[in-house]
Amino acid sequence: AQKITQTQPGMFVQEKEAVTLDCTYDTSDQSYGLFWYKQPSSGEMIFLIYQGSYDEQNATEGRYSLNFQKARKSANLVISASQLGDSAMYFCAMRPWGTGNQFYFGTGTSLTVIP
Amino acid sequence: DGGITQSPKYLFRKEGQNVTLSCEQNLNHDAMYWYRQDPGQGLRLIYYSQIVNDFQKGDIAEGYSVSREKKESFPLTVTSAQKNPTAFYLCATYGWRTSGSDAYEQFFGPGTRLTVL
Repeated sequence: AQKITQTQPGMFVQEKEAVTLDCTYDTSDQSYGLFWYKQPSSGEMIFLIYQGSYDEQNATEGRYSLNFQKARKSANLVISASQLGDSAMYFCAMRPWGTGNQFYFGTGTSLTVIP
Repeated sequence: DGGITQSPKYLFRKEGQNVTLSCEQNLNHDAMYWYRQDPGQGLRLIYYSQIVNDFQKGDIAEGYSVSREKKESFPLTVTSAQKNPTAFYLCATYGWRTSGSDAYEQFFGPGTRLTVL
């Protein structure tokens, strides 16, 4: 079975601090991609970062980095130097390469940045 | 500018009526998807299509139907059989990123918020 678990329904972080959003996944596929998306209150889904299962280095995109621990099946998102505009829902997703392009999403984490 | 268009942004319908949500893309992507999102919830897959004239059911396909007659278009019909159709509907494609690091990405439209009265 393919599954994504985000155990933090809500998180708070002080402005300019770093925050880690947790994501664990379950798949029997050896090849897969892991994605993080941000959803502001407007509803649009904004791509943040991608990690392939065979990538040896953790992915980074500006203030976003992905802490990929393959053996533990975790793909945590780290946001450094939080900004007020980071307040949003964050979704972790997985695409196993063997499922014909199907994606699996977690239930999301609501992040609030406090001034 | 390449992208995904969903119209309208807000849609109201009476209970028992079928309604069709539009999704058009000019990204030249083969794969297209429909997701449903309820308040405070994640995305649930309704249908997806990997190629023209082909589509597969997702986890919550009951009460919905789709067609894929053209590469650019993937309309979703919410039928009267759908018990609780009020939700936010997102259309997406899948393809190579056009900026940033080399990777595939799921691209999303702006969404349609459907309210059934």
